[in-house]
Amino acid sequence: GDSVTQMEGPVTLSEEAFLTINCTYTATGYPSLFWYVQYPGEGLQLLLKATKADDKGSNKGFEATYRKETTSFHLEKGSVQVSDSAVYFCALSGGNTGKLIFGQGTTLQVKP
Amino acid sequence: EAGVAQSPRYKIIEKRQSVAFWCNPISGHATLYWYQQILGQGPKLLIQFQNNGVVDDSQLPKDRFSAERLKGVDSTLKIQPAKLEDSAVYLCASSLIQDFAEAFFGQGTRLTVV
Repeated sequence: GDSVTQMEGPVTLSEEAFLTINCTYTATGYPSLFWYVQYPGEGLQLLLKATKADDKGSNKGFEATYRKETTSFHLEKGSVQVSDSAVYFCALSGGNTGKLIFGQGTTLQVKP
Repeated sequence: EAGVAQSPRYKIIEKRQSVAFWCNPISGHATLYWYQQILGQGPKLLIQFQNNGVVDDSQLPKDRFSAERLKGVDSTLKIQPAKLEDSAVYLCASSLIQDFAEAFFGQGTRLTVV
């Protein structure tokens, strides 16, 4: 079945460092890909998405490109802030039901 | 715009007891999802409703879990009887339509079974 694999965490960075969180997927067909973020004490929020190959999703300085050839959707940010500390989930949605299949999540800690 | 509301936020019960969670989706959202998030894992879909009909309940342990969405608005998820392995955060989400629409999540209900 469809699945998502994320890099293990926690990831600890200093403020203004470059961030990459790796995400690869296995799916039949052409899924849509998402990054969700969960800040401490809050619910999951959509960070960005891409619906077809080579699309780039971006939001709040974060970017991810849908790479069909490598089945990847890595999350990047050029300069992280303390306020970016959260848990990040990569997810896919295949078919037409809207059902999301999540990776296990990656905790990011940004230190001043 | 009000978000997805869930209650209670926290619940502690003993094994073999029953428990119910409530969700009020964003107004006008036809699709409602219940996800289970076990500590250290990503959320896993339990059941999906389109209005008041079930679209997918393939991952719902039907011997102990049940869910309903009367009148296509609010939804309740029930566990009876609870097991230790049911300890998790139960997330409700809703979307306008089911196809590629953004899903909005509530803050979840943290269930601890002792």
